[in-house]
Amino acid sequence: NAGVTQTPKFQVLKTGQSMTLQCAQDMNHNSMYWYRQDPGMGLRLIYYSASEGTTDKGEVPNGYNVSRLNKREFSLRLESAAPSQTSVYFCASSEGLAALNEQFFGPGTRLTVL
Amino acid sequence: AQSVAQPEDQVNVAEGNPLTVKCTYSVSGNPYLFWYVQYPNRGLQFLLKYITGDNLVKGSYGFEAEFNKSQTSFHLKKPSALVSDSALYFCAVRDVGYSTLTFGKGTMLLVSP
Repeated sequence: NAGVTQTPKFQVLKTGQSMTLQCAQDMNHNSMYWYRQDPGMGLRLIYYSASEGTTDKGEVPNGYNVSRLNKREFSLRLESAAPSQTSVYFCASSEGLAALNEQFFGPGTRLTVL
Repeated sequence: AQSVAQPEDQVNVAEGNPLTVKCTYSVSGNPYLFWYVQYPNRGLQFLLKYITGDNLVKGSYGFEAEFNKSQTSFHLKKPSALVSDSALYFCAVRDVGYSTLTFGKGTMLLVSP
């Protein structure tokens, strides 16, 4: 039982390049989330998926797109990377959106955009 | 709107002493409150939550938190700190009618031997 896995662990991009961050969970959770963590800013929600087939914007969605590929997988795409997107990205999942459900986090992807 | 504040960037405490990490929140309805911990180069781990009921909530690793509605606070506490408790702690809130959590900026806890 791996929980939430993310690939890659580290990535360096040049401005304008694109990439996709992958996330998968094996807990049969319905809801999945993408956050970014920046020093002094805490965690900010980029996008989330309440259930398979749905996605919604979070607090900071600009410059990102997501795909809920199936119940297990939720990917985050940067179409044209910018230095402001240098951050640590975390994927999380929960049984559902209900407040009772705590979120389980992956180990993170550290992204640097030059 | 929902928001949460962690007024201290860092808390320093000696091993064996009690610790408190502060959190205050702002919501329009009844809050759901959470504490998470992040160890270096790891994702966040759930510690405890307040949904309803007893104002004193007990969680993992000996941590507890007290919900105080009049002071809109949800401070994290532990009677006796361990060096291994050193980590980044996040408070999070969810208001009724909201689908997602809002996290605080985090408080670094440093426990010295």
